[in-house]
Formats: sequence, structure tokens, C-alpha cells
Amino acid sequence: GEQVEQRPPHLSVREGDSAVITCTYTDPNSYYFFWYKQEPGASLQLLMKVFSSTEINEGQGFTVLLNKKDKRLSLNLTAAHPGDSAAYFCAVSSTGNTRKLIFGLGTTLQVQP
Amino acid sequence: EAAVTQSPRNKVTVTGGNVTLSCRQTNSHNYMYWYRQDTGHGLRLIHYSYGAGNLQIGDVPDGYKATRTTQEDFFLLLELASPSQTSLYFCASRLGSQNTLYFGAGTRLSVL
Repeated sequence: GEQVEQRPPHLSVREGDSAVITCTYTDPNSYYFFWYKQEPGASLQLLMKVFSSTEINEGQGFTVLLNKKDKRLSLNLTAAHPGDSAAYFCAVSSTGNTRKLIFGLGTTLQVQP
Repeated sequence: EAAVTQSPRNKVTVTGGNVTLSCRQTNSHNYMYWYRQDTGHGLRLIHYSYGAGNLQIGDVPDGYKATRTTQEDFFLLLELASPSQTSLYFCASRLGSQNTLYFGAGTRLSVL
């Protein structure tokens, strides 16, 4: 079945720096991709949902890139600030009627002032 | 904003104890899910359901039962709790035509 590998598991940057988190997946038929943010002690909040038809998606302060050829999904936080400190999870939607989400193991991002 | 409510938020039980975790969503979503979150393992799917009375086995079902009594309510049952089930449990829901999962706030379970 689908496997999702997320790197790095931990990332520490200074305020104003960029931070890049990458996920690779195995199922070439995967169609929906997600980034979730989990602040300490909180639940998972949807950051962005990406369709396979769009390679570049921009949010507020971040960009999501999808490379279908390499089966790679990345989250690039531009000019990180302390409020971005959280755990980030990618998730890939498997094919079929159930459309289960397969999650990466997560990246803990710390942004130091 | 989709609403998924979990109860209790925290639970402590002893080995061999009987625990029920509750989840209610008022989004008219048909799919509901139970995940556990553990350091080093990320989120792992325990059970899910696509409607009242339906139950599907997830990736780590051993030691867990689940029941979907209504469209809104999905319960996770640990009938003989073990310390290995100490974890943070999340419920989630989604609409069948959509892929976005909406998560509850989580239940932290400790089995002593």
C-alpha cells in the first residue's frame, strides 16, 4: 500500500529564515495531498489541500510544491516566525472509495527569535 | 467550520480496565475515523466508518472495537486496556465527496 516518508523529523530555524519539509510517497495514483499543522497540545488543523493537477500552491507565508514525477510534496515556509513553531504532517489520499489518508510521521519545527 | 467533539479529553485507567472514547460530529459527514498518535509513529488509523452501523478495520485495530451508532456518533472501545494503548486518540470526520479530514481536539489516555 501507499507509504509516505517525511523529512526531516526535527527542524530548527531562526526567525526570518525559510524552512522546508518534504514528503515522498509511493502510489503514483495518489490524487489529493494535505498539510496539517499541530500546535503543542492542540489538534490538527488543515494548512492546505493540494490537488494533483496543480504543482504550485501558495498560502499565507508558505508555498506547497508537488512534483508528481518524483512523487514528492514539499512545504516551504518563507520568513518563518515563532508562531510557525509546531508539528507539521503531510498526508496523501489513497485511491479507492475509502480514500484513506496516509500520514507522514511529522516534522517538529522550532523557530527561534 | 466543521465541528468534531471528543470526550473525555483526558482519561486514566488501569490495565484490564474498560474504556469508551466518544466522538460526535455535527457536520453531516458520513465518514468518521479513529486515529492514535504516538511519538515515532505519527497518526495510525484504528477503525473507520462510512455511516451508521458500518465499521471498517484500519491499520492498527488489535485491542480496539468501535461502534457507529448514528450518523453523528462514533465510539472507540477498549475492553481490556493495556499500557501499550496509552496514547493520544483523535477522532476525525469527512464528507464522502470531499477528502479533507476535520479533527477533534483529542483524548489523552493513560493505562497504568
